[in-house]
Amino acid sequence: EAGVAQSPRYKIIEKRQSVAFWCNPISGHATLYWYQQILGQGPKLLIQFQNNGVVDDSQLPKDRFSAERLKGVDSTLKIQPAKLEDSAVYLCASSLDPPSGTDTQYFGPGTRLTVL
Amino acid sequence: GNSVTQMEGPVTLSEEAFLTINCTYTATGYPSLFWYVQYPGEGLQLLLKATKADDKGSNKGFEATYRKETTSFHLEKGSVQVSDSAVYFCALSGSGGYQKVTFGIGTKLQVIP
Repeated sequence: EAGVAQSPRYKIIEKRQSVAFWCNPISGHATLYWYQQILGQGPKLLIQFQNNGVVDDSQLPKDRFSAERLKGVDSTLKIQPAKLEDSAVYLCASSLDPPSGTDTQYFGPGTRLTVL
Repeated sequence: GNSVTQMEGPVTLSEEAFLTINCTYTATGYPSLFWYVQYPGEGLQLLLKATKADDKGSNKGFEATYRKETTSFHLEKGSVQVSDSAVYFCALSGSGGYQKVTFGIGTKLQVIP
């Protein structure tokens, strides 16, 4: 079974530029998550989708971050414009069942973003 | 709100040593508790979980017991191997319907031969 795919693996941009990350979850997984992991911290949930609807985006900085999951499969996360403090690893995860808090999440390898 | 506190690393052990990584939590009700592991160059993966008090999660020789009276979920392994070198994250999700997962800061474990 193929795992969660993410691209690119690494990205370096200058502040005020825009960047986009792509995620393809495990086939059949209804729930998709985007996390931000700053160096030395645990992952922080940015947004969660159930199929193509948003379940939770309370910690997404909506003035600069946006995410979509068209057709309920793959997803993109965009930052525009980027700030220095956005330097982090962006993790995508998926799970099979509707979010109940006990479902196993499967993580992709992450995209490491460096903002200069 | 919900929070997880885990010991800061790095933790350096010799091969075959006993491992304990402490984790305590703050949450209302009856959260589910998890340990995730991140091996070098790889994504996070679930190591074990427990969904109710006194449950013991176990996998790959690792164990953790859900202790509601001490709000703890300490990770233990009797004999670590070099291949166990990784970052370990304690996490919880709240009870009652949809609840997002809250992660600790992670503890880096280095096992030396």
